[in-house]
Amino acid sequence: DAGVIQSPRHEVTEMGQEVTLRCKPISGHDYLFWYRQTMMRGLELLIYFNNNVPIDDSGMPEDRFSAKMPNASFSTLKIQPSEPRDSAVYFCASSRSGRGLNEQFFGPGTRLTVL
Amino acid sequence: GDSVTQMEGPVTLSEEAFLTINCTYTATGYPSLFWYVQYPGEGLQLLLKATKADDKGSNKGFEATYRKETTSFHLEKGSVQVSDSAVYFCALNRDDKIIFGKGTRLHILP
Repeated sequence: DAGVIQSPRHEVTEMGQEVTLRCKPISGHDYLFWYRQTMMRGLELLIYFNNNVPIDDSGMPEDRFSAKMPNASFSTLKIQPSEPRDSAVYFCASSRSGRGLNEQFFGPGTRLTVL
Repeated sequence: GDSVTQMEGPVTLSEEAFLTINCTYTATGYPSLFWYVQYPGEGLQLLLKATKADDKGSNKGFEATYRKETTSFHLEKGSVQVSDSAVYFCALNRDDKIIFGKGTRLHILP
């Protein structure tokens, strides 16, 4: 089975532009998590979904960030407008409910650079 | 709230040295405990886990024992290899989330 798929793997954009990151979770997983990783702040949970419904978005930095999960096999994280301080690696992870919650499967990440 | 504290890195060792990465936790109740590993350019992946007190998780020569009395879950390996160079994250589960420590970068010199 394919793992968690993220696209693009690298994104370079200019300040003020809109950025959309995409994620396809593992088939059958009903939880999806978005994380941000930087040297300064480490790994931060931004938002997570259960059965396509956002459960906790308290980690979303500000209104410039939004996330959607229109169906069980696709999610997006959008930043509009982007700023240089948004530069980071963004990870998507998925897991199954019940005992499966003990293991999250991470995608390879999207490295975002905002100039 | 629940939290995980692990030793700051980087940790630099020679190949075949003994490894310990310390991890302590603060939590209500009895969470499951984990070690995740992140190799360069990749996402995190589960290395080992323990779900109750005195359980020992093990994988790829790494071990960690769930110590309730000291609220610790230290990672150990008897003889490290260059291929073990990575960032290691201690973590616990809380409801449907996993709470990660800040990570410890490990460098193994040949």
